This record gives sequence, C-alpha cells and structure tokens, in this order.
Amino acid sequence: DQQVKQNSPSLSVQEGRISILNCDYTNSMFDYFLWYKKYPAEGPTFLISISSIKDKNEDGRFTVFLNKSAKHLSLHIVPSQPGDSAVYFCAAKTGANSKLTFGKGITLSVRP
Amino acid sequence: DTEVTQTPKHLVMGMTNKKSLKCEQHMGHRAMYWYKQKAKKPPELMFVYSYEKLSINESVPSRFSPECPNSSLLNLHLHALQPEDSALYLCASSQGGTGGGKLFFGSGTQLSVL
Repeated sequence: DQQVKQNSPSLSVQEGRISILNCDYTNSMFDYFLWYKKYPAEGPTFLISISSIKDKNEDGRFTVFLNKSAKHLSLHIVPSQPGDSAVYFCAAKTGANSKLTFGKGITLSVRP
Repeated sequence: DTEVTQTPKHLVMGMTNKKSLKCEQHMGHRAMYWYKQKAKKPPELMFVYSYEKLSINESVPSRFSPECPNSSLLNLHLHALQPEDSALYLCASSQGGTGGGKLFFGSGTQLSVL
C-alpha cells in the first residue's frame, strides 16, 4: 500500500520556466511533509518542508504548497535551472517519532 | 560540520564474504539510520538507532547486522549476502526522535554482491 504517491515518473522543463512537482498521499494522519533532492551516486539532500498547519512554505526559488482536503502537495521551482536536474522525493510522517514514508520519486530534467 | 560520511563508497563482495559499512557524523545528532535504495526506487528504511539503542528494525534479514559503537558512529555488518542485496546503502542522521523529519544523508555505499 503506497501511502505517498508521485505518479509522474519524470518531468522536463525549459530553463527559466516553472517546474511543478506533484505528490499525493492517502494517510490523513500525516502531519509533516518534506521534499528531498537526489543526484546520481549521492545521498538525498533535504530541500524544503511543510507542517500540516500551513498551506505554503517558501525558501528562495522553492515553494511547497499543501492542500490537506485534497491530500496533495506540490513543489514549485521558479525559475528552473539546469542544476535542478535531479530526482525529487516527496516524504511524509505522522508525528515527531514516526518514520518517514517516501514516494517513488520524480526525475526532473531542466533543458538549457 | 553538516556532513554524514560513509565508507567505502563502493564495495564488491562475494556471497561468502564478511564486510562492514561505516558511517560517521559529528553534528551531535542522536538518531542514526540505515536505508537501502535500489535504482529508481525510494529509500527503504532498514534500522534506526536512537540514543545508541536500536529502536526500529524493519524486519531486515539477519545477514545484515547493525552496530552503534557510540553516538557518532554507525556500522552495518554484512555476511552471506545474496545478489539481490546489491543496492545503494545510505546512512542518515537526525537531531532527535526515532522517526526522521529532517534527515541528513551520506553519499552512500554502492554495494555489488556477486
């Protein structure tokens, strides 16, 4: 049972445009959501997070939106840069001491 | 120092070998993790140590044996592995708790079992 779903395996965008990466979840008990970015042969690096009490969190070019009623979150990257090309994992947890549940990841390619 | 250091970066072993993966962090984090990741799949949690005690074992086969000698070090001892155990093994740490949140990952050990 996949509780965190990233249904699109890949996304390709032009440099300078907006990248929108989507994530859906089924467990209504999730209360904290994170995005990780992973380059090949490296470990994932934390990108941005959002608590369920908020609907938006912004950090530079990265913004995460949370729609609790739809059980949907999205990561917006604007403007996209070639260095953003990587695999992006959505992850969620149900409380301070619960384990992270990861989605399958989405491969973003930013074309120069 | 915000790094999690893993050694070796690459490891090739036979099914009868015994080897160990090592992980080190000096961020004062009290939770450390082992994850396994296959190509095009999400990281899968294997073990969690919280305050140097094993707090989560995700039903991992006994051919994988974790060890936490102190709050900065985490080892994964490997014995009699199978070819299907070939994967990227990731160590991670976090400030507290047993579940994660903002994890700091190492670069991983790419393991090939022949």
